[in-house]
Amino acid sequence: EVQLVESGGGLVQPGSSLKLSCVASGFTFSNYGMNWIRQAPKKGLEWIALIYYDSSNKYYADSVKGRFTISRDNSKNTLYLEMNSLRSEDTAMYYCAVGYPPDYWGQGVMVTVSS
Amino acid sequence: DIVMTQTPSSQAVSAGEKVTMSCKSSQSLLYSENKKNYLAWYQQKPGQSPKLLISWASTRESGVPDRFIGSGSGTDFTLTISSVQAEDLAVYYCEQYYDTPWTFGGGTKLELK
Repeated sequence: EVQLVESGGGLVQPGSSLKLSCVASGFTFSNYGMNWIRQAPKKGLEWIALIYYDSSNKYYADSVKGRFTISRDNSKNTLYLEMNSLRSEDTAMYYCAVGYPPDYWGQGVMVTVSS
Repeated sequence: DIVMTQTPSSQAVSAGEKVTMSCKSSQSLLYSENKKNYLAWYQQKPGQSPKLLISWASTRESGVPDRFIGSGSGTDFTLTISSVQAEDLAVYYCEQYYDTPWTFGGGTKLELK
């Protein structure tokens, strides 16, 4: 059974940093591209980043480009999202998801940016 | 960026009713080399993560009931639920994965009439 477990969220102040993790199991992590997708409270879905299976390519939404970095450690079956210069508009549930199109999704981790 | 527009934004339905919802993209999602449309449909129930229902515009994922039917090509796509069940009340999103940044439509919320 595919499982994706996100962690690392919380309440932070504007301008601060946070690093999210997503531990994968139930599939061969190193064979699949991975995504981060977020959902602001009571809003729709926003794709924010994609990393190829071998980290050879990374893509970002304009809203996070230059502030967020997606990475992965295939030896640990773990996906990361490093978030810097956080803004109130980054407040959202953050999901990791496998593949293209994203098929399996984690349960999400909440990030709240507020003073 | 490719803009995805879903209509209606909400729809009140009765159990057993046939439902259709639309998704339009600002440019074609049909890749000429493989004749595939890079369009997916997701279902999100309250408090849950989105679930992939359909990929490549019309391919149902394993375990998805056959009452969910995806159709369309190019820029115009439709999700049809042939006979709505109570458990289908949710928000439905389309998504293009033709080109980054991948983009979602604003969603269609199915509510009980």
